[in-house]
Amino acid sequence: AQSVTQLGSHVSVSEGALVLLRCNYSSSVPPYLFWYVQYPNQGLQLLLKYTSAATLVKGINDFEAEFKKSETSFHLTKPSAHMSDAAEYFCAVSDEGGATNKLIFGTGTLLAVQP
Amino acid sequence: EAGVTQSPTHLIKTRGQQATLRCSPISGHTSVYWYQQALGLGLQFLLWYDEGEERNRGNFPPRFSGRQFPNYSSELNVNALELEDSALYLCASSPLGSTDTQYFGPGTRLTVL
Repeated sequence: AQSVTQLGSHVSVSEGALVLLRCNYSSSVPPYLFWYVQYPNQGLQLLLKYTSAATLVKGINDFEAEFKKSETSFHLTKPSAHMSDAAEYFCAVSDEGGATNKLIFGTGTLLAVQP
Repeated sequence: EAGVTQSPTHLIKTRGQQATLRCSPISGHTSVYWYQQALGLGLQFLLWYDEGEERNRGNFPPRFSGRQFPNYSSELNVNALELEDSALYLCASSPLGSTDTQYFGPGTRLTVL
């Protein structure tokens, strides 16, 4: 069965610093992987997705993630944090490579950006 | 293009009552998904509807049910409400035949007293 693990429930960075949010996955089939962001009292917004094309995936708001099969990782990065990036970030994997259309989410990482 | 819409934004019920939550998918999307985001439990898959049929179901009791209408909008019904049903219920939609991206609505916050 597929699963994702997000390391670090809380991450704090300074404005302008590198953002690195970690996600490791477990999948018995080639995975579809996603990063979503949730601002307070809102739904989920898709940041980026990996669906077996390029291993370096670029998303919105200068976020990107690299799929590393050897490390079973899909870490999210952004070169320079903005105050507006403060939110909760969820990594997700599509169950059974998309066959059941169910997304399995990690427990989330709350990103704080300090001025 | 309008996104996924959900109503109501907030819903307050008492234990034992029934709750009905509504979702309208993005125009052209035929699949609708429901997820529960409860405090301490994270985001959990509830139901998937496509072309009016229930296609997949998460590990939830039968008192969680729903349906999809001919216009692809969907309802989630929760019967015999329990305190632990208090959560943010998120609806998502995806295009016909898509096995990847799901686009989420803003959610309905259900509070059970």
